[in-house]
Amino acid sequence: KAGVTQTPRYLIKTRGQQVTLSCSPISGHRSVSWYQQTPGQGLQFLFEYFSETQRNKGNFPGRFSGRQFSNSRSEMNVSTLELGDSALYLCASSLNTDTQYFGPGTRLTVL
Amino acid sequence: AQRVTQPEKLLSVFKGAPVELKCNYSYSGSPELFWYVQYSRQRLQLLLRHISRESIKGFTADLNKGETSFHLKKPFAQEEDSAMYYCAPRENGNKLVFGAGTILRVKS
Repeated sequence: KAGVTQTPRYLIKTRGQQVTLSCSPISGHRSVSWYQQTPGQGLQFLFEYFSETQRNKGNFPGRFSGRQFSNSRSEMNVSTLELGDSALYLCASSLNTDTQYFGPGTRLTVL
Repeated sequence: AQRVTQPEKLLSVFKGAPVELKCNYSYSGSPELFWYVQYSRQRLQLLLRHISRESIKGFTADLNKGETSFHLKKPFAQEEDSAMYYCAPRENGNKLVFGAGTILRVKS
């Protein structure tokens, strides 16, 4: 089975721009979660989607949003980028509430 | 607030020595607990979940509800165990709350 894939792997943006990251889960998995990883804050939960509905949300501002499509692929969007949004963004997929399998991440740099 | 603490940023041991990576949590109820590992240049992957009570790569972890701990142990460390280890309780749904992580360095 193919693992979780994320595109793009690297991204450079400037302050004020917006960005969309994509995550393709393992085939058959219906849950996709997103995490932000930074040296200062570590790994923090952003949100989770299950069957196209947001099931859970972390403590991030409304500039961070996401969605899930009928094929379970998910996107997250960050609007009005700030320097502090520079991070590794990880997505993880699972069947439901069980083991989560992580993707390689998208490295976002905001200049 | 619910939280998880991994007190050691770095743990350095010699090959063949026992290893214990500490994890303490403060949660109401009985959360499900996981250990995740990230080897150099690899993605984050599940090492253990407490409900399965499996031993993976020689590692075990026992949930101690009295001490609210979920320490990761291995009797004899190997060089290939060098990695970053994260303890993570799971809250509602699929929300994992990660600790700060502990770097394990196994020296030859």
